[in-house]
Amino acid sequence: AQKITQTQPGMFVQEKEAVTLDCTYDTSDQSYGLFWYKQPSSGEMIFLIYQGSYDEQNATEGRYSLNFQKARKSANLVISASQLGDSAMYFCAMRDHNTGNQFYFGTGTSLTVIP
Amino acid sequence: NAGVTQTPKFQVLKTGQSMTLQCAQDMNHNSMYWYRQDPGMGLRLIYYSASEGTTDKGEVPNGYNVSRLNKREFSLRLESAAPSQTSVYFCASSEEAYRGSKPDTQYFGPGTRLTVL
Repeated sequence: AQKITQTQPGMFVQEKEAVTLDCTYDTSDQSYGLFWYKQPSSGEMIFLIYQGSYDEQNATEGRYSLNFQKARKSANLVISASQLGDSAMYFCAMRDHNTGNQFYFGTGTSLTVIP
Repeated sequence: NAGVTQTPKFQVLKTGQSMTLQCAQDMNHNSMYWYRQDPGMGLRLIYYSASEGTTDKGEVPNGYNVSRLNKREFSLRLESAAPSQTSVYFCASSEEAYRGSKPDTQYFGPGTRLTVL
């Protein structure tokens, strides 16, 4: 069964607009971590933002925020004021804290920012 | 502080050749991982090492072996390369376990682009 689902293979956004990238997850653990990574065309994996399952506030890092809805098991990434440099692949990932060391990744969303 | 380093960056092999991908981290992390990334399939875990002296299979271990040489280094070996192993390989590291308030983020090396002819 898929642990992480990203249903948007490709997204487009106008420069300076906000965009939401969807991520849903599946776990029976009460304690887990959720992560978003950015992969530009150069290929490296860049860590963007983290949300712990017990964190009451949504995580924010600069222009990135994570819309965490625990009951719906969703962890959507919101990028505000999009820039051309935001064009990249974005991956959602999860780690169950009690059931092992593995991280589970979604298949990614390709974001293109249009000038 | 280099983070996670991988060598080589690029490699071309002929079918049947062997090679070892090297990975090292300087963040004092206990856990290390090897992934492969193929178009449209995201990242798939090949092997991981929760701590020095232990290794475990991931989702796609066939055709690969690993060695956790010490806490810093985790190598991936292809004994007899096949065209199906053409991929981009990423090494990553993280804390072994969640430690309360500190995020157990996984950090990645720059990747190795491997082509098997």
